[in-house]
Amino acid sequence: QQQVKQSPQSLIVQKGGISIINCAYENTAFDYFPWYQQFPGKGPALLIAIRPDVSEKKEGRFTISFNKSAKQFSLHIMDSQPGDSATYFCAAEGDSNYQLIWGAGTKLIIKP
Amino acid sequence: KAGVTQTPRYLIKTRGQQVTLSCSPISGHRSVSWYQQTPGQGLQFLFEYFSETQRNKGNFPGRFSGRQFSNSRSEMNVSTLELGDSALYLCASRQQTGSETQYFGPGTRLLVL
Repeated sequence: QQQVKQSPQSLIVQKGGISIINCAYENTAFDYFPWYQQFPGKGPALLIAIRPDVSEKKEGRFTISFNKSAKQFSLHIMDSQPGDSATYFCAAEGDSNYQLIWGAGTKLIIKP
Repeated sequence: KAGVTQTPRYLIKTRGQQVTLSCSPISGHRSVSWYQQTPGQGLQFLFEYFSETQRNKGNFPGRFSGRQFSNSRSEMNVSTLELGDSALYLCASRQQTGSETQYFGPGTRLLVL
C-alpha cells in the first residue's frame, strides 16, 4: 500500500512535443505529491508539487494533473526542450509517516 | 541561502570497513532525511532526523545509523560495508518534518570494493 507506480520507464519525445509521465498510488492517506527532476551526477530537484485539494497545478511549461478518485497523478511537459532531458521521479508523502515514497523514475530524452 | 551540502562527494571503501557521511542542511531547516539511490532499487528512505531526534526509519539493517547535531547538521554511518552498499547517498533538508518540500544535496557516491 506504500508503493507509487510510475510509467513509462523511459520516454523519447521530439523537441516541441508534450511529455507525459504517469503515477499511481494506493494509500489514500498520502497528502503531498511532488515531482523531482534529476540530472546525472546531481541530486533530485523539486519541479512542482500538488496536494489532493486541487486537480491541476501549472508552473510554466510543467503541469501536474491529479485524479483523486482514480488515485493517479501525472506530469505534463509542454513544448519539451532538449534541456528537459533528465530522469523524473514522482513521489508521495503522508499518513504520518513523514517519508517520501518514490516512483521508479522515468528517463526522458528530448530529441532535437 | 546556500543549498544542502554533502561531504565527501566521492568515497571508495573496501568490504568490512565503515564510513561516515556528512550533511549540512539549508540554514534554518531542522529536518534532515537520508536516502539511498541505486540503479536496481531506485530511491529508498533511510531515516529522518528532526531536532536531533530520529523521527522515522526505513527498512535498512542496523549497520546503517545516523545522528543529528544541535546545529541541524547530520551524519550517517554505515558499518561493516558490503558490496551492495555501493550507491549514491542523498541528504535532503526541510524546515519542518511532515509533508513539505525537501531540498536535496548533490549526494555522496560510495563505491565498496
